[in-house]
Amino acid sequence: GQQVMQIPQYQHVQEGEDFTTYCNSSTTLSNIQWYKQRPGGHPVFLIQLVKSGEVKKQKRLTFQFGEAKKNSSLHITATQTTDVGTYFCAGPNTGNQFYFGTGTSLTVIP
Amino acid sequence: DAGVTQSPTHLIKTRGQHVTLRCSPISGHKSVSWYQQVLGQGPQFIFQYYEKEERGRGNFPDRFSARQFPNYSSELNVNALLLGDSALYLCASSLYLRAGLFNEQFFGPGTRLTVL
Repeated sequence: GQQVMQIPQYQHVQEGEDFTTYCNSSTTLSNIQWYKQRPGGHPVFLIQLVKSGEVKKQKRLTFQFGEAKKNSSLHITATQTTDVGTYFCAGPNTGNQFYFGTGTSLTVIP
Repeated sequence: DAGVTQSPTHLIKTRGQHVTLRCSPISGHKSVSWYQQVLGQGPQFIFQYYEKEERGRGNFPDRFSARQFPNYSSELNVNALLLGDSALYLCASSLYLRAGLFNEQFFGPGTRLTVL
């Protein structure tokens, strides 16, 4: 079956350092979404990328969708304590199923 | 406007029992999806419903079923509960575009199910 893997699984950074999580799908995705889930909370939508090679920015966050539409990345510049949480990539397959990645848990040390 | 609401927030059941979880989508959203999230893992897709019809189904056994009502609210039913069904069950609503194209999803707070 389809797999969506993310690396790293965990990341600890000092406040102010940058952070990147990478997402790889075993199959081509028509689009990719990113969600953030705070500890004890529910996933919150961040962004959706649709086009091959697309890059989108939201303040300190930069999202990329790979040329082959099988991988994506999220980069956070100058992390803050409010960035703490688990970041998931997610996307649909051709069978109308929606797959979440394994997630990257970010800890920011003040 | 209220966000996605789910009930109950917590539930404790024993093996073999049946459970019904409920979800009310954001006003104007006609699509509801259900996910199971085991501690430390990403959400696993169970179902998507739109206009009372199942539009997508994940790799879950037939013990899992769902339905959507005319007001677009939804129920998830799980029969013959197993210990492994213990998880956070999330409901998400969205504007439905077309089959295979998932739009931005708004998640509810979830129902924490514990099976003893």
